[in-house]
Amino acid sequence: AQSVAQPEDQVNVAEGNPLTVKCTYSVSGNPYLFWYVQYPNRGLQFLLKYITGDNLVKGSYGFEAEFNKSQTSFHLKKPSALVSDSALYFCAVRENTGRRALTFGSGTRLQVQP
Amino acid sequence: DGGITQSPKYLFRKEGQNVTLSCEQNLNHDAMYWYRQDPGQGLRLIYYSQIVNDFQKGDIAEGYSVSREKKESFPLTVTSAQKNPTAFYLCASTPGTTSSYNEQFFGPGTRLTVL
Repeated sequence: AQSVAQPEDQVNVAEGNPLTVKCTYSVSGNPYLFWYVQYPNRGLQFLLKYITGDNLVKGSYGFEAEFNKSQTSFHLKKPSALVSDSALYFCAVRENTGRRALTFGSGTRLQVQP
Repeated sequence: DGGITQSPKYLFRKEGQNVTLSCEQNLNHDAMYWYRQDPGQGLRLIYYSQIVNDFQKGDIAEGYSVSREKKESFPLTVTSAQKNPTAFYLCASTPGTTSSYNEQFFGPGTRLTVL
């Protein structure tokens, strides 16, 4: 069975500083990885995905993620955090067979202080 | 949230009642999903549907039922058999079949509270 771990419940960063939200995964076969963001009482918004190719994936709102196969990680990064980036972030991995559903991590709350 | 609507936004249920959550999409997506979100647990898959008139149980289907009579609609019924239904429910869809690698698009969610 596949799984996703987000080891930090909350990440605090000052505005203008770089941010990293960590994600590790476990899946048989090739991983298909996704990051989503959720604002309070809203649905999830897609940020970026890794399917194949370059290990550094660029996405929406200046976010990027680095895929590391040897460490089975897919950390979300941004060079300069904004207060408006404060939200709940989810990492997910897609099943490679059968129902192809997404398995989500438990989420990491990002707080950016002005 | 564009293209997927969920209603109502807030729903209150009394003990023993069945309630139905609506999910409609105008994206012409084939596959649709229902997830349940609880604090600190991420999202868990309740049911999914790849095509009209077909649906499959997810990881936590007990106490829930769905139908897929139209491509654009995938309503979820929370039955009285669901012992702890208070949660935030999210509907999602994705283009193509579930064999594609497209991202899922999410609706704005319905918050269900049992009184």
